Amino acid sequence: DTAVSQTPKYLVTQMGNDKSIKCEQNLGHDTMYWYKQDSKKFLKIMFSYNNKELIINETVPNRFSPKSPDKAHLNLHINSLELGDSAVYFCASSQYASGLAGTQYFGPGTRLTVL
Amino acid sequence: KQEVTQIPAALSVPEGENLVLNCSFTDSAIYNLQWFRQDPGKGLTSLLLIQSSQREQTSGRLNASLDKSSGRSTLYIAASQPGDSATYLCAVSTSGSRLTFGEGTQLTVNP
Repeated sequence: DTAVSQTPKYLVTQMGNDKSIKCEQNLGHDTMYWYKQDSKKFLKIMFSYNNKELIINETVPNRFSPKSPDKAHLNLHINSLELGDSAVYFCASSQYASGLAGTQYFGPGTRLTVL
Repeated sequence: KQEVTQIPAALSVPEGENLVLNCSFTDSAIYNLQWFRQDPGKGLTSLLLIQSSQREQTSGRLNASLDKSSGRSTLYIAASQPGDSATYLCAVSTSGSRLTFGEGTQLTVNP
């Protein structure tokens, strides 16, 4: 009965490759997020989708492309991976009502290592 | 631009001690503030959420306060236990759903 799940948990790949991380939530939430946690453990938002519509797009290279096939899924595709993309990527979800976001629930994270 | 600062960066206390973690933010126009816990190699667990209209929230041994006008929040942990050892993150919500995080306080509770 996992609330927010991500796959894979670990991803090791070569520079220049293209990879995807999948996220699914079974909480019935309408808003999903991707965050990046760098080596200094600092968490920063990358994207947010509400009802499959992009509502937050931080200054992220366009090599990163989120895709939301439905409200329960938000996948992250990364093209031409670079060494600096190595980090832990977290997916989260919340219920967005009347312009206010409720508690955000986080997935376990995907540790991406680019060699 | 919203900035969130957490003090101290690390804290080590003996078991049973009461402790306070501090969080400050630069823009008081927030919707809510959340405290999270992160265990090593794990995701974030939400502990408490305080809406901007509220002053505090309590859950078990945890109490979080919010003073929006001064841009401050505290997380009070009563009777600390070794199982409380983790990194505690403060995050404020602006523009509806955007969360801005602090860098966290790494707490160690020694048996």
